[in-house]
Order: sequence, then structure tokens, then C-alpha cells
Amino acid sequence: GAVVSQHPSWVICKSGTSVKIECRSLDFQATTMFWYRQFPKQSLMLMATSNEGSKATYEQGVEKDKFLINHASLTLSTLTVTSAHPEDSSFYICSADRTSHYGYTFGSGTRLTVV
Amino acid sequence: LAKTTQPISMDSYEGQEVNITCSHNNIATNDYITWYQQFPSQGPRFIIQGYKTKVTNEVASLFIPADRKSSTLSLPRVSLSDTAVYYCLVGGRSSNTGKLIFGQGTTLQVKP
Repeated sequence: GAVVSQHPSWVICKSGTSVKIECRSLDFQATTMFWYRQFPKQSLMLMATSNEGSKATYEQGVEKDKFLINHASLTLSTLTVTSAHPEDSSFYICSADRTSHYGYTFGSGTRLTVV
Repeated sequence: LAKTTQPISMDSYEGQEVNITCSHNNIATNDYITWYQQFPSQGPRFIIQGYKTKVTNEVASLFIPADRKSSTLSLPRVSLSDTAVYYCLVGGRSSNTGKLIFGQGTTLQVKP
């Protein structure tokens, strides 16, 4: 079945540093990937839509200069949290659109803790 | 984008059938209804998708009335491992027709 691999599964970083999260579609090509953020006991909040070969589309209220998204190939999208602060600590989840099948496939998520 | 409304939480016991209903009054003609399951600290997992009437797979059934303004996810004989958050989403089958916006979801607690 369709697999989306997300790496790392957890990361702890110091305030002010940058962190990169990778999202790979392992057995299919994804022209579109999505990035979500989820705070404890809350639902997933869509941050941005990542399109291969073009600029990402950010949801209202999401700082594009802080959350850099790169979708350079049909199997890889990256989210870089720049100058991370404790309030950026959250669970980040990516998903990929596998247009030939039902539903979207989600990665296993990345727990980011900024100290 | 069609908004969905679900009960915030439900309790059940092992072996029982659980039905979770979702309201989506503003569903568009080309929208599909998809249900996902999420365990703590994991990404959502696809359960089932449908457009109208009834859909059944190895883990669940999805009932959609003719007006499509609601849908019901049915989980037969739940076990403790079915304790999770269940999300109902409406949108296009692919990104070409819409992005997925998550509502609050339903937290299902299965008790022994």
C-alpha cells in the first residue's frame, strides 16, 4: 500500500535554531503534499500545500518565511522551521495525494520540541 | 469547503457496534466523504471513503443518505485497540478538487 515516510519522528532543538522535516512518498509520486500542525488534544491544522516544482501555498496566518517548504521532486517535500521558538513545539504531519487511489496518505508525524 | 460536525466524544464497550454520525450540510456535488482514524502521536490513517449509499470494507461501513448531508461510520464489534480519534472529512477525491480540512473529530473510548 501507499507509504509516506516522515523523518525524523522526533527532534529536540534549541531556541533560535532551524529544523528540517522530510516527507517522502515511498512507492508513488506525489505532485501535491500537505503539511499540518497539531497541538495536544487538538485537531490537525493545515499549514500549507506543497506543489512539486512551484511555490507552496500557505494558509492564512501561517508565516511563509518561518515555515519554509520545498518540494523539489515528486517524492520529497521538506518543511524547515526557521528560528524555532518554544511556541513552535508541536506535532507536524505531512500527507500526500495519491490521485489514483482513495484518500490521502499521511506520514507518521514529527514531534518537535524547542527548548 | 464543506464544514463537518461530529460528536466530540463517545464511549463504548468491547464487542459492541459503534456508529459515529457526521453532519455536512453544505457538501458539494463533487465532494467525497472520507473517514480517518488517529492514534496518539501518529498520523491519521484512512478508514473508508464514499460518495453515496453504502460502502463497506474489511474494517468499517459507511452509510450515506440520499441527500448526502450526513454520514455514519459504523465499526462492528469494537475492541480496546479501536480507542482513537475519528475524523470525518468532505472534499474532492484528489488535491485537484480540494484540500482536506480537519474538524474537531470524535474521540472514541472503548472500555473492557
